[in-house]
Amino acid sequence: EPEVTQTPSHQVTQMGQEVILRCVPISNHLYFYWYRQILGQKVEFLVSFYNNEISEKSEIFDDQFSVERPDGSNFTLKIRSTKLEDSAMYFCASSEGTGLSEKLFFGSGTQLSVL
Amino acid sequence: AQTVTQSQPEMSVQEAETVTLSCTYDTSESDYYLFWYKQPPSRQMILVIRQEAYKQQNATENRFSVNFQKAAKSFSLKISDSQLGDAAMYFCAYREDLNSGGYQKVTFGTGTKLQVIP
Repeated sequence: EPEVTQTPSHQVTQMGQEVILRCVPISNHLYFYWYRQILGQKVEFLVSFYNNEISEKSEIFDDQFSVERPDGSNFTLKIRSTKLEDSAMYFCASSEGTGLSEKLFFGSGTQLSVL
Repeated sequence: AQTVTQSQPEMSVQEAETVTLSCTYDTSESDYYLFWYKQPPSRQMILVIRQEAYKQQNATENRFSVNFQKAAKSFSLKISDSQLGDAAMYFCAYREDLNSGGYQKVTFGTGTKLQVIP
């Protein structure tokens, strides 16, 4: 089965630093997403991205966050100035479409630790 | 806003036995999707089973089946013949219909940690 690939698997950064989390969605997919999971808590939607623009975002996704599809294969999440509370597992996901029957594929996640 | 509630933080089952994980949700929509995702220690999110709200028939996938009670807004997962590899965190999740404006914005519950005892 095709996979969504995320790198790195673990990222450690100092508070206030910028981080970029990288994802390679499945090649024929058109819709891309970021979710996050703070340790011990539920997975939360951050943002959806289609046709090179954000289609929907949650209240978590504030001005410190941005997403980009720089080269047609990668999909990145940037956090400009990390805070301690940004420590979480970040999941990238992609889907071929948005129909109710479309399957959402998740990557293995990037564990971000902000010190 | 839609909410998903899993009231069992942890469950355990003897190998080869059957276990049922509970989930309730709240929505005003009539068309939506419900899911169960498995998250093993590797933390990857793996889709186990999904149910369309307009279908009365309960979904099944091999040893996994659901009991979908739309009026009660209940969506439980039954795992039959439990195996050691079933040990994981299980998340119940909800996805609204495209016509409601939601892309693949999935709302997750807080999870149930399943332990399988040899």
